[in-house]
Amino acid sequence: AQKITQTQPGMFVQEKEAVTLDCTYDTSDPSYGLFWYKQPSSGEMIFLIYQGSYDQQNATEGRYSLNFQKARKSANLVISASQLGDSAMYFCAMRGRQGAQKLVFGQGTRLTINP
Amino acid sequence: GAGVSQSPSNKVTEKGKDVELRCDPISGHTALYWYRQSLGQGLEFLIYFQGNSAPDKSGLPSDRFSAERTGGSVSTLTIQRTQQEDSAVYLCASSSRTSGGPGETQYFGPGTRLLVL
Repeated sequence: AQKITQTQPGMFVQEKEAVTLDCTYDTSDPSYGLFWYKQPSSGEMIFLIYQGSYDQQNATEGRYSLNFQKARKSANLVISASQLGDSAMYFCAMRGRQGAQKLVFGQGTRLTINP
Repeated sequence: GAGVSQSPSNKVTEKGKDVELRCDPISGHTALYWYRQSLGQGLEFLIYFQGNSAPDKSGLPSDRFSAERTGGSVSTLTIQRTQQEDSAVYLCASSSRTSGGPGETQYFGPGTRLLVL
C-alpha cells in the first residue's frame, strides 16, 4: 500500500523567506510519481510540481523546487521568496504504476505567509 | 472550457434525499477521477474512469454511491439516501492518459461542497 505523511499541520513564515514543506512516502512500487498541489481558500487543487522516481535531477518550476531524497523516501517542497499569495493548504501526493491509478494524498500543511 | 468544471458549486440537502454531482473534464482527457475531501482531511479516492474500460470503483464507501460517465466525457456522481457523514467537498479531476505511467498529472475542478442536514 502507498502512504504519504506530512508532519507539519501548520507553518508560519515571513514574506520573502524560503520555506520547506515536508513529505515522506512509503511504497513498494519500483516506479512512482510524486506531486505537490496547492489548495487556496477557494478550494480548487492547483498542480505545482512533479517528480518521477527515476528522475536524476530534482524538479523545479519557477519558485517551486522539490528536494527529492529517494533513499530517505522524502519529497520536500521548497518555495523560495515566499509571497502573501502562497498562503494556502499544500498537499503531497503519490501515484504508482501498479494497481489503481489514483493519487494518494497526505493530510496537508497549512502555510501562512505573514507580511 | 479550459479547465475541469463541476456543478453545482454548493449543494444543501436533507438527510435521505438523493443528490447528483456533475463533472465536465478537460476536453480530450480520457481519464476522470472523483475524490472526496472531508473537513480538515486529505483527499480520498472514490472512482476512476478510463476510456471505455470498466471503472475502478474500489474507493466508493458504500453502495449508496455510484457514478457514470457518458460518451467518454461528462461524469455524474450520485449519492442515494444521503447521510450527514456524506457532507464533504467532492472533487473531480481529469488527465490525458497519454503514457499510462505514474507521471500523468491530474487537473482538478473547483469541487462541489455538499452539506447534508
